[in-house]
Amino acid sequence: QQQVKQSPQSLIVQKGGISIINCAYENTAFDYFPWYQQFPGKGPALLIAIRPDVSEKKEGRFTISFNKSAKQFSLHIMDSQPGDSATYFCAASIRTGTASKLTFGTGTRLQVTL
Amino acid sequence: NAGVTQTPKFRVLKTGQSMTLLCAQDMNHEYMYWYRQDPGMGLRLIHYSVGEGTTAKGEVPDGYNVSRLKKQNFLLGLESAAPSQTSVYFCASRRTGLGFDQPQHFGDGTRLSIL
Repeated sequence: QQQVKQSPQSLIVQKGGISIINCAYENTAFDYFPWYQQFPGKGPALLIAIRPDVSEKKEGRFTISFNKSAKQFSLHIMDSQPGDSATYFCAASIRTGTASKLTFGTGTRLQVTL
Repeated sequence: NAGVTQTPKFRVLKTGQSMTLLCAQDMNHEYMYWYRQDPGMGLRLIHYSVGEGTTAKGEVPDGYNVSRLKKQNFLLGLESAAPSQTSVYFCASRRTGLGFDQPQHFGDGTRLSIL
């Protein structure tokens, strides 16, 4: 059962364009929504994150939009650059006792062309 | 500062063999996690630990065992490897505290093939 659904599976964007990746979740107990960026041969690295009491968070060219009522959130990459070519994972965090666990989406492979 | 280090980086096993994957972190983090990454399935949590001497099951624990004898190390064991365990395994660690403030830091993975 995929608790966090991510789309599209792959995305090709021209340099300077806007990349948009969407995620949806079902469990309202999730309380933290990070995005991770992964380059080939490397582990995922935190890119940007948002709490459900905030509708938007922006860091440089990266913005998360969060719609709590629709249980959806998305990553926007403005002015996409070839160096942004990577796989992006959305995730949702839930607390379990003293710990918290992440549930990941299935990933989006982004290619930014010249 | 090495962060999270995984060894080995690559390994090929035969069905039925056993092996242990090692994860070491030098950030004094309390929490540690093991994930597997398969094409089209994202990262799935295998086991995790909230501190030295503790372990707990994640989403896909069957066929794996873990141990956390030292705070800085988290071991993942495969007692009898199966082809379905062919995957890329990632270890992560994080500090205690609310999830928003404490991201998980990942190693660069172990690529495991089981023939």
